[in-house]
Amino acid sequence: GAVVSQHPSRVICKSGTSVKIECRSLDFQATTMFWYRQFPKKSLMLMATSNEGSKATYEQGVEKDKFLINHASLTLSTLTVTSAHPEDSSFYICSARRTPAAEQYFGPGTRLTVT
Amino acid sequence: AQSVSQHNHHVILSEAASLELGCNYSYGGTVNLFWYVQYPGQHLQLLLKYFSGDPLVKGIKGFEAEFIKSKFSFNLRKPSVQWSDTAEYFCAVASGTYKYIFGTGTRLKVLA
Repeated sequence: GAVVSQHPSRVICKSGTSVKIECRSLDFQATTMFWYRQFPKKSLMLMATSNEGSKATYEQGVEKDKFLINHASLTLSTLTVTSAHPEDSSFYICSARRTPAAEQYFGPGTRLTVT
Repeated sequence: AQSVSQHNHHVILSEAASLELGCNYSYGGTVNLFWYVQYPGQHLQLLLKYFSGDPLVKGIKGFEAEFIKSKFSFNLRKPSVQWSDTAEYFCAVASGTYKYIFGTGTRLKVLA
């Protein structure tokens, strides 16, 4: 149990376009989902916390208008990178947890390349 | 600000050697502690976790970790590593908000 999927696994888009990444908890209901960004040879940086039915909470320095997060159901959260630029190229990872104090389960990540 | 330190960035061991990876955090309150592993090309997987109780925690694949509150440490250990343990290992700490703060990761390479 506790499987988290992401789609797509890889996406290439042109500068100025928007890209949507989906995160699904396949076999459990996730009260909270998280979005991270992982830079090469570096750790995961938390971008935002997404609670079902409420607005996402963004970490300091993360532009909420650029990284739109929607948590429409207990099994689905989406991250939309709007007006993407080459500097947005990165590995985006989502995670989900059942309850506030529970461990997080991670998706396989999405490699975004903006040309 | 809270932080998590993993002092060993790269570790190379021969098979059957013992492993200890350090993890220290800076936070004075109650914490939940985790070790995750990321095998090449795969997603992060939970190795073990500490919420409360016995400070010596046993996880999957023969790994264990010990929480030493006085040292703010949660070191990961394995008595005898295998080639298949080659991966990147991340320590994570969650405090009152239960958001994770990750360490920078340790890349372990096990030589066959």
